[in-house]
Amino acid sequence: KAGVTQTPRYLIKTRGQQVTLSCSPISGHRSVSWYQQTPGQGLQFLFEYFSETQRNKGNFPGRFSGRQFSNSRSEMNVSTLELGDSALYLCASMVATSSETQYFGPGTRLLVL
Amino acid sequence: GESVGLHLPTLSVQEGDNSIINCAYSNSASDYFIWYKQESGKGPQFIIDIRSNMDKRQGQRVTVLLNKTVKHLSLQIAATQPGDSAVYFCAEISPASKLTFGTGTRLQVTL
Repeated sequence: KAGVTQTPRYLIKTRGQQVTLSCSPISGHRSVSWYQQTPGQGLQFLFEYFSETQRNKGNFPGRFSGRQFSNSRSEMNVSTLELGDSALYLCASMVATSSETQYFGPGTRLLVL
Repeated sequence: GESVGLHLPTLSVQEGDNSIINCAYSNSASDYFIWYKQESGKGPQFIIDIRSNMDKRQGQRVTVLLNKTVKHLSLQIAATQPGDSAVYFCAEISPASKLTFGTGTRLQVTL
């Protein structure tokens, strides 16, 4: 079974631009969560989608948004990029409920200049 | 690879020794805990999990201990190998369904 895949793996943007990252979960997994990882803040939860609906949300500004498609693939979007948005963005999938293991993708490294 | 955490606590162990990585969690209502391993350039990888109705669980070369009284979790790695070098995170899952990660510990295995 293929793992979680994320595209692109690396991205360079400039301040003010917007970016869209993509995540394909493990086949059969219906929940997709997004995390931001930075040296200073560690791993921080952005949001979780399940059956095309946002089920949980972390404490990030509205510039960060996401969506999930009927095939469980998910995208996250960051608008009006700031230098502090430079981070590794990780996607994780699980079958359905919170009491299950989440499996992570390799991440997308975003650099904002 | 990416810098997972420049200021992470670091544990150095010699190859062949046992490693113990500790984690304090915050929510006494959390009922599910996971240890993840993150190598440079990769996403976190599941190692072992434990539910709150247990205090110990063993896997292959790894053991997780849970002490709910003091909200403490530990990961023991037996006969540590160079391939175990990575950053290790504990994660707690609350009944509200949020997964919260600890800050991580960098394990360095010396030859």
